[in-house]
Amino acid sequence: GIQVEQSPPDLILQEGANSTLRCNFSDSVNNLQWFHQNPWGQLINLFYIPSGTKQNGRLSATTVATERYSLLYISSSQTTDSGVYFCAVSNTGANSKLTFGKGITLSVRP
Amino acid sequence: DAGVTQSPTHLIKTRGQQVTLRCSPKSGHDTVSWYQQALGQGPQFIFQYYEEEERQRGNFPDRFSGHQFPNYSSELNVNALLLGDSALYLCASSLTLLMNTEAFFGQGTRLTVV
Repeated sequence: GIQVEQSPPDLILQEGANSTLRCNFSDSVNNLQWFHQNPWGQLINLFYIPSGTKQNGRLSATTVATERYSLLYISSSQTTDSGVYFCAVSNTGANSKLTFGKGITLSVRP
Repeated sequence: DAGVTQSPTHLIKTRGQQVTLRCSPKSGHDTVSWYQQALGQGPQFIFQYYEEEERQRGNFPDRFSGHQFPNYSSELNVNALLLGDSALYLCASSLTLLMNTEAFFGQGTRLTVV
């Protein structure tokens, strides 16, 4: 099956700094999503981005499908951005299962 | 617009027992998928239900079974619980037959097997 690798595994930032989180995948995809998992475990949707670029406030994402990677940018980080960020992809037909990476743990210090 | 809701939020069971977890999909969605997330890992796909049938299944034993009801809600059943079944169980809903199949997740059920 498809493999998903996220890097770096851990990231520590000072409040106000910018960061880039990377997701590499091993095959073509028809769905790619970025999630933020809050301390209570819920996965919060950040972006649905199988290709192209999107922005939502301080967050933006780019997926280069032909080169099999996606980037999540966080600008002017805040302590509330802390948590685990997951990239998840699917590639086996419409509405098929999501395969998740191992996640990136972000800690933003005041 | 109600999002994905799961119940219960926490559950403690004894090894060998059976458990049922419940999920109501986001309004307008017709497909429900279940995932298991062990501590420190990413979620792993268990199975997916659409039109009241299991459509896809991950690498989980037959002890894991499910059901989807006509109102699209779903149950996950786990028989003969093992200590290793302790995890966060996440339900996701989506809409089949659309180009955009973005999945939305519930808050999860944290199962502890003792």
